[in-house]
Parts: sequence; structure tokens; C-alpha cells
Amino acid sequence: EAQVTQNPRYLITVTGKKLTVTCSQNMNHEYMSWYRQDPGLGLRQIYYSMNVEVTDKGDVPEGYKVSRKEKRNFPLILESPSPNQTSLYFCASSSFPPRGRSYQPQHFGDGTRLSIL
Amino acid sequence: AQKVTQAQTEISVVEKEDVTLDCVYETRDTTYYLFWYKQPPSGELVFLIRRNSFDEQNEISGRYSWNFQKSTSSFNFTITASQVVDSAVYFCALSEAETGNQFYFGTGTSLTVIP
Repeated sequence: EAQVTQNPRYLITVTGKKLTVTCSQNMNHEYMSWYRQDPGLGLRQIYYSMNVEVTDKGDVPEGYKVSRKEKRNFPLILESPSPNQTSLYFCASSSFPPRGRSYQPQHFGDGTRLSIL
Repeated sequence: AQKVTQAQTEISVVEKEDVTLDCVYETRDTTYYLFWYKQPPSGELVFLIRRNSFDEQNEISGRYSWNFQKSTSSFNFTITASQVVDSAVYFCALSEAETGNQFYFGTGTSLTVIP
């Protein structure tokens, strides 16, 4: 079954305690991305990756790090989480580039709800 | 500046009514892609449609239709004969092929279909 798997699904933690949200896809997609969803703001892209070892900042990268050492994995790292990073996070993957009939659109994980106290 | 604007924050309609969700985008690229996603109350994000900038043909899929107009930078989504299962938050999104392949989502429109 094609899927994007995020872990954990829920996490409550405290300010400053480093955390990693994992994301793994089994569709051999080149493009992977992290978003955060906040009320009234929609989804905002944090980082994206067009292939292994290629990552770029999205709209709201401050306070986050990512890595793409393998095609299937794209972890999101919060080195020193702060309360303003409390949010719902989605990982997504798709084929790249987004053109052509063979394009597979972004497939989203189920989301990770982070609460940082 | 917001690249994708969904001015309608919340819409309520009675079942079987038609409803149009507006999406206005902003880009300088000549090659770009527009998308609609649905987020039902269960929270997952479901892809509905992709449209590229060179294809202005309107699309119909069952009760769903999309109207892409480059002249007004709009990509509106119409649900005909709405049903309760259409209740969800709908997001319009833009990806610019020439300037980095970022995805820009609108703030979403929450649609409630009243039985």
C-alpha cells in the first residue's frame, strides 16, 4: 500500500528539548516536503527536498532542520523547540517534477500534532 | 504577499445546493501548477486536481468542476448538488516550476453542507 508514514502522531514536550519527527514514503518519490498547519494560516511549507542530499527552505524554515540521506526518509528536526512551534505537521511526497502525465501528486502523511510547553 | 488567496473563510450551504470556492493566485512564472486538496474532519489531505498553466480547459469530474482563468488568475472550484460528505476544508495550492518548486497553499475554505 502506497503511504507516507509519520512518527510520532502526537507529542507533548517542553521548550528546548530536541525532537525529531520521522517521515518515510514507500513510493520511490523524489520530492518530499514538510508543512505546518495553523488555524487561519493554512499549510505553510517548512522545507522541501527534490532528491537525496538536495534540500531547500520553504516559507517558514526558522527553527527547523531537515536531512535527506536516503530517498525514502525525510526527518524534521527541532533542535530547540519553542511554544510557537506548537502546530500540526504534515509530511508529503510526490514524483518530481510536477509535469507530465506520469506525475503522482503529493501524498500526505496523517499528520503529527506537536505541543511544546 | 500571499501567493494564493482564498477569500472565503467559511461557507455554509444546504444540501443539494451548488457552491463555488474561489481561489486567486499570484505568480510571475509562465510555467506553474495549480492544485485543490480536500481536508475532511478526519484530518487527512486528499488530492483533488492538478492543472498546469498551459491548459486552460475547464475540467469536470462527477459533481466537481474547476474553472481556470489565466486572465483573472483564478482557479475556482464548484461542487454541484452538494452533499453532507462534501463538508471539509478545501485548499487551493500553487507550485512554480521556474523559481524553485515550492508549494504555496491558501488559507483554506471551510465548507459545511447542512442536511
